[in-house]
Amino acid sequence: NAGVTQTPKFQVLKTGQSMTLQCAQDMNHEYMSWYRQDPGMGLRLIHYSVGAGITDQGEVPNGYNVSRSTTEDFPLRLLSAAPSQTSVYFCASSFFQSSYNEQFFGPGTRLTVL
Amino acid sequence: AQKVTQAQTEISVVEKEDVTLDCVYETRDTTYYLFWYKQPPSGELVFLIRRNSFDEQNEISGRYSWNFQKSTSSFNFTITASQVVDSAVYFCALSEPSNTGNQFYFGTGTSLTVIP
Repeated sequence: NAGVTQTPKFQVLKTGQSMTLQCAQDMNHEYMSWYRQDPGMGLRLIHYSVGAGITDQGEVPNGYNVSRSTTEDFPLRLLSAAPSQTSVYFCASSFFQSSYNEQFFGPGTRLTVL
Repeated sequence: AQKVTQAQTEISVVEKEDVTLDCVYETRDTTYYLFWYKQPPSGELVFLIRRNSFDEQNEISGRYSWNFQKSTSSFNFTITASQVVDSAVYFCALSEPSNTGNQFYFGTGTSLTVIP
């Protein structure tokens, strides 16, 4: 049972490049989400999904796309990277609308956009 | 408006001192959940505790204790006899269930440094 895994752990991009951050979970969680963490701003929700084929925007969705073709995977795509997207990205998962909906977090991806 | 406010940005204490981390939340829901997470220097997010809005009973787990007061919309976290290993950033979070899922709102975090 690996929990929530994220790849890569580190990434450096040039402005305008695109890339996909991978996230997978093996706990059969319906709910998955992406956050970015910036100094002094805590964690801010980018996109989330309540099940395969269903996604929605969070607080800071601009510049990011997501899809959810399977329960296990929830990739985050940066379409045209900008320096403002330099951040640490966390993927999380939990059971949907459970009484104890603790979110399990991946180890994070540190992204630098030059 | 911030749904979760952690007014203390940084706190430093000397080892063995007690320290309380404040968390104030804002919600109109009658059913909601509160959480604390710890982020040590290694960067991962570690779940510490959850509390639902119908359970105001305080909880103690070893050196950790939590004080939930609906009247003041606060969910404070106290570490007794702090240790160097407690040095971390601590996040308070609020979850509001909805038809579209449980949205989480995190505070900006409190960075705790325990000085040996």
